[in-house]
Amino acid sequence: EIVLTQSPGTLSLSPGERATLSCRASQSISTTYLAWYQQKPGQPPRLLMYGASSRATGIPDRFSGSGSGTDFTLTISRLEPEDFAVYYCVQYGSSPPGYTFGQGTKLEIK
Amino acid sequence: EVQLVESGGGLVKPGGSLRLSCAASGFTFSTYNMNWFRQAPGKGLEWVSSISGRSSYIYYPDSVRGRFTISRDNAENSLYLQMNSLRAEDTAVYYCARGSWPFDYWGQGTLVTVSS
Repeated sequence: EIVLTQSPGTLSLSPGERATLSCRASQSISTTYLAWYQQKPGQPPRLLMYGASSRATGIPDRFSGSGSGTDFTLTISRLEPEDFAVYYCVQYGSSPPGYTFGQGTKLEIK
Repeated sequence: EVQLVESGGGLVKPGGSLRLSCAASGFTFSTYNMNWFRQAPGKGLEWVSSISGRSSYIYYPDSVRGRFTISRDNAENSLYLQMNSLRAEDTAVYYCARGSWPFDYWGQGTLVTVSS
């Protein structure tokens, strides 16, 4: 079973700054099956990125994703107040079939 | 507009059972795989189960296999999760979500609390 490890656990930044969130897999995964979600308190997760680097519908271009193999990154170029939330990476594995989430990175206002 | 509305959560004693429902609208339900996820209080997200459009393929993680059963009624545009032999560690908000990959729409969730 593939394990996803996100770092840092908490990231404290100010609006306008650049955020870099990491997601590391315990073994190589297909970029097709790596996605990022944003979750705010009391809300369901919101799809941000899929295929590691494709933005979901309606996601602003300050969000970008990159990576391959075992190392993936979500970058927010200039933080807006509404970007402070928890971010999860998730992957699909076929053997056995299933989905695995990272433990999340909390992006908080400094 | 795509909508997913979960219901059926509540307080149940350890060892008890509960059936969750997810009412779907705004899309052709039968053509989409559907999923259940959960999130324990203050914790991260966990995949619970997936079912294909015609119920041909059903998957569970080890944590719920043998205790939970996913099903769907395409005529009613509804997804279900029958949860038996519930444990304290099953306490969570349960979300239904659309799609095989990625999961583009999620419901607001329903809270299941397992406690004596």
